[in-house]
Amino acid sequence: EAGVAQSPRYKIIEKRQSVAFWCNPISGHATLYWYQQILGQGPKLLIQFQNNGVVDDSQLPKDRFSAERLKGVDSTLKIQPAKLEDSAVYLCASSFLFRSESSYNEQFFGPGTRLTVL
Amino acid sequence: AQSVTQLDSQVPVFEEAPVELRCNYSSSVSVYLFWYVQYPNQGLQLLLKYLSGSTLVKGINGFEAEFNKSQTSFHLRKPSVHISDTAEYFCAVRRGSGAGSYQLTFGKGTKLSVIP
Repeated sequence: EAGVAQSPRYKIIEKRQSVAFWCNPISGHATLYWYQQILGQGPKLLIQFQNNGVVDDSQLPKDRFSAERLKGVDSTLKIQPAKLEDSAVYLCASSFLFRSESSYNEQFFGPGTRLTVL
Repeated sequence: AQSVTQLDSQVPVFEEAPVELRCNYSSSVSVYLFWYVQYPNQGLQLLLKYLSGSTLVKGINGFEAEFNKSQTSFHLRKPSVHISDTAEYFCAVRRGSGAGSYQLTFGKGTKLSVIP
């Protein structure tokens, strides 16, 4: 079974430029997550999709970050314009199906995109 | 809200020695607990999880963890480490139920360095 795919793996940009990251989840996984992992910290959830709808984007800086999952499969995370503090690894994860109450669905993580903003 | 504290940012240990990575959590409700491993330039991989039942949980690669509700801890242990265990380890917590129950809250991570 293929894992979560992300591209690019590395990206270097200057501040105020725009950047986009792409994620292809595991086939059949309805739920997709984007995390931001700043150096020396654990991952922080930015946004969660179930199919093509947003479940939670409460920690997404909406003035500069946007994300979409138009057909309920692939997803794109965009930053426009980038700031120095956006330098981080952006991780995408997917799980089979999110049910909000007592069930558990393991999240599978991609390798991440390392963004450096100069 | 939940929070996770990993008490050691770095742990060096000699090969074949035992290791314990400490994790404490804070939550006013029941939680699910997880340990993830991250090898250099890779994503996170689930090592083990506690959902309910036995407080001693066994995971992959010979790791185990014990859930201690009274001490709100979920320490990770391995009796004999290998060079290949060198990685960063993250403890995470999720609410057992209710609003926001899907969200994982991670600790800051512990870098395990195994010395030959």
